[in-house]
Amino acid sequence: DSGVTQTPKHLITATGQRVTLRCSPRSGDLSVYWYQQSLDQGLQFLIQYYNGEERAKGNILERFSAQQFPDLHSELNLSSLELGDSALYFCASSVAGSEKLFFGSGTQLSVL
Amino acid sequence: GQSLEQPSEVTAVEGAIVQINCTYQTSGFYGLSWYQQHDGGAPTFLSYNALDGLEETGRFSSFLSRSDSYGYLLLQELQMKDSASYFCAVSAEGGYNKLIFGAGTRLAVHP
Repeated sequence: DSGVTQTPKHLITATGQRVTLRCSPRSGDLSVYWYQQSLDQGLQFLIQYYNGEERAKGNILERFSAQQFPDLHSELNLSSLELGDSALYFCASSVAGSEKLFFGSGTQLSVL
Repeated sequence: GQSLEQPSEVTAVEGAIVQINCTYQTSGFYGLSWYQQHDGGAPTFLSYNALDGLEETGRFSSFLSRSDSYGYLLLQELQMKDSASYFCAVSAEGGYNKLIFGAGTRLAVHP
């Protein structure tokens, strides 16, 4: 158990819908990262937050947004969903300045 | 931007040694990390190299050559449980804020 909690574990929805994925980082970790992993693909960096502020952005679609709340949990919002958005979405956290990321178990999103 | 290249698949037998190579192109390089991911599981951290040379952690070692933009993960005394995907990742563009992963190498260990 990495200490990073992601909910829900599975999500099935239809095209055009909007969903919210939630992540609670390890206790004490200020950095939260979101990654997308499609079938047999690597991990695509989406976005990173540090103590509530956006720190780095990857190839995140405009339909996607995220935020980190004062209690440090983070949410990834995916809207106007398309079939191609079906993927495993991972959240990870780390202590400040550490290269060691702890990953949650992921949210499997299926867009039908 | 950044790019990483690693072999897509590697096969080995139990007890053997396998090396997974990773070459990268990036600006502002800080270090090279390795992660392991079993099927259906989450990536887990294996090692990190910021300086040239070899880092050893039990059966796993990781090497970095900054001048060659190259690193490798060495797995010794392979066990069936080592069958997994292995990802190299670079920390770049300002530090740890943006960890970029390679496409992964799928290691299959056979009896």
